[in-house]
Amino acid sequence: DTAVSQTPKYLVTQMGNDKSIKCEQNLGHDTMYWYKQDSKKFLKIMFSYNNKELIINETVPNRFSPKSPDKAHLNLHINSLELGDSAVYFCASSQIPLGGGGSGEEKLFFGSGTQLSVL
Amino acid sequence: AQKITQTQPGMFVQEKEAVTLDCTYDTSDQSYGLFWYKQPSSGEMIFLIYQGSYDEQNATEGRYSLNFQKARKSANLVISASQLGDSAMYFCAMERGSTLGRLYFGRGTQLTVWP
Repeated sequence: DTAVSQTPKYLVTQMGNDKSIKCEQNLGHDTMYWYKQDSKKFLKIMFSYNNKELIINETVPNRFSPKSPDKAHLNLHINSLELGDSAVYFCASSQIPLGGGGSGEEKLFFGSGTQLSVL
Repeated sequence: AQKITQTQPGMFVQEKEAVTLDCTYDTSDQSYGLFWYKQPSSGEMIFLIYQGSYDEQNATEGRYSLNFQKARKSANLVISASQLGDSAMYFCAMERGSTLGRLYFGRGTQLTVWP
């Protein structure tokens, strides 16, 4: 059973198109994330949702819109794709302990990534 | 700003030898956590080990151990008895106690294990 699954694994599209990446987790976690890994392998957070509520929104163009229909799903929609959007996008989830951290329970479980190529 | 530095873009180690991957961090927070993830060529991100800022003992998970030196703000990963399957990119990451789950990543170290 895949804990965090995202689809598609590969996405090749033309500049200007709109595309979506879907993510689902079956771990019962409350918090889900989108991370972007650039061509130099640098990983940076884009968004975080807790129980369907947006809690982190980094400096990301508003062409990127996350949507969380329920706490097990977090999709990423990208409008008007640009060449610079080419990257690997990772979905992740974690369970933030109610009493705070300190044990690593909040570690992130990542999906397998979506390689987005904009031509 | 929170910052993670991995100074070794690439490391090479012979099979069965131990290797240390360096990581230093910069934060003014008292409460924080440090993580190491492995990314093999297949692309997935695999959690390896965690160290909390208040943990007095170094974390260990099988062949992985974390050499935590709080005063020096370093959290080096030690892999003992390297295996060919350890060849991968390794990322150090930090979270602040006030924003649990949000990780700041270093730029990674590409480890190659040779026979």
